[in-house]
Amino acid sequence: NAGVTQTPKFRILKIGQSMTLQCTQDMNHNYMYWYRQDPGMGLKLIYYSVGAGITDKGEVPNGYNVSRSTTEDFPLRLELAAPSQTSVYFCASSQGWGNEKLFFGSGTQLSVL
Amino acid sequence: AQSVTQLGSHVSVSEGALVLLRCNYSSSVPPYLFWYVQYPNQGLQLLLKYTTGATLVKGINGFEAEFKKSETSFHLTKPSAHMSDAAEYFCAVRGTNAGKSTFGDGTTLTVKP
Repeated sequence: NAGVTQTPKFRILKIGQSMTLQCTQDMNHNYMYWYRQDPGMGLKLIYYSVGAGITDKGEVPNGYNVSRSTTEDFPLRLELAAPSQTSVYFCASSQGWGNEKLFFGSGTQLSVL
Repeated sequence: AQSVTQLGSHVSVSEGALVLLRCNYSSSVPPYLFWYVQYPNQGLQLLLKYTTGATLVKGINGFEAEFKKSETSFHLTKPSAHMSDAAEYFCAVRGTNAGKSTFGDGTTLTVKP
């Protein structure tokens, strides 16, 4: 059981480039999330989804886009990358709302230079 | 609205000593509370969670936490630290009416031999 899989693990972008961070889960979870983690900071929610076709903004959505065409996949798109988007990105999923725990991927370390 | 404050960004203990990591929360509705652990270059893993019922919650690896509503706290403890406990620890809160978790800034635990 792979859980939550993120690709790539590392990426360096130039300012203004675009890329997609991939996230897939094999647990049939309806709820999926994208967080970013900056050094010395907690996780900040970028976008989340409560099911295929449904997405919503989190705390820090600017500069990002998401889609959720299937239950398994929740890609995060960076358009016109900026140095402020240098961070570690985590995808997570949960079985339900409320008291259900989050399952995390191993993260994508992104540098924008 | 919900928020989490973790007191102390770095905690250092000797092997065999008591571990105490502090977490205070704010929530406009009854909260669900979580502690996650992050080892280097990995995603977060759930240590324990409080939902309802018993206020003393036991988790994996000998950790436990006590929910104190009057103090709005959910401190994490372990009677005897082990070298393998060195990691970053995150407290998180989720309202019972919300799917979004809010994380604290994290506490890095160092265990000295």
